[in-house]
Amino acid sequence: QKEVEQDPGPLSVPEGAIVSLNCTYSNSAFQYFMWYRQYSRKGPELLMYTYSSGNKEDGRFTAQVDKSSKYISLFIRDSQPSDSATYLCALTDSWGKFQFGAGTQVVVTP
Amino acid sequence: DTGVSQDPRHKITKRGQNVTFRCDPISEHNRLYWYRQTLGQGPEFLTYFQNEAQLEKSRLLSDRFSAERPKGSFSTLEIQRTEQGDSAMYLCASGGGEKLFFGSGTQLSVL
Repeated sequence: QKEVEQDPGPLSVPEGAIVSLNCTYSNSAFQYFMWYRQYSRKGPELLMYTYSSGNKEDGRFTAQVDKSSKYISLFIRDSQPSDSATYLCALTDSWGKFQFGAGTQVVVTP
Repeated sequence: DTGVSQDPRHKITKRGQNVTFRCDPISEHNRLYWYRQTLGQGPEFLTYFQNEAQLEKSRLLSDRFSAERPKGSFSTLEIQRTEQGDSAMYLCASGGGEKLFFGSGTQLSVL
C-alpha cells in the first residue's frame, strides 16, 4: 500500500464548476500538508500549505485537512480553463521527508 | 529571491553516456532535494541534502546515480552509463521549513 493515495484523473469539469480533489494517507507522522499545481513539462508550483486540521482559504482555493481520518482535500471554486493542470498532494513529517501523491489531472472546459 | 534554478532544461543523450545536471536552490534554504518524475506519476524521491551533508538516498537509486552539494550551495546530479529507463524529468527542490519549492526540472531523453 502506498503511503499517499490520490484519486486518479483525468477529472473534466465545465468552466465555473467547483473542482474537488482529495488524498488519503496512512502515516500519522505526517503533520504538514501541501497542494501543488503542475503544468505540462513544468516543475510543481506550491499552491497551498497547512499544518492543522480544518480549512484554509486562499482566493478561489480551499484546503481541508482531517487528521483523524487521514484525509486531505483541495477545492477550486469558479474554475477557469487556466486551472487545467495536474494537482499533487504532498505530505511531510518534521524530519524533512516528503511524500507525494501520483497527481490528478484536471481539465476545465470553456 | 530568484527561485530554484535548474540547468539544462532539456538533455538528449545516447545510451551509455554520462550526464550531469545542476541545481541552484533558493539562497537561504539549507535543504535540497532531487526527485525523478515520469509521466502520470508524482515526484519520486532520489536524495536529500542538509547543507553539504547528504542525509538520505533512495534505496531504489542505482549506483550509477551520484549527487553532490559542495559548500552547501548548488548541487549536481550525475548519471553514469545512462539507460533508456533513465528517461524522465529530474526535479530539484529546496526547502525552507516544511515547505518545498521546485525548479522547472531537467527533461532527460536517453536514445
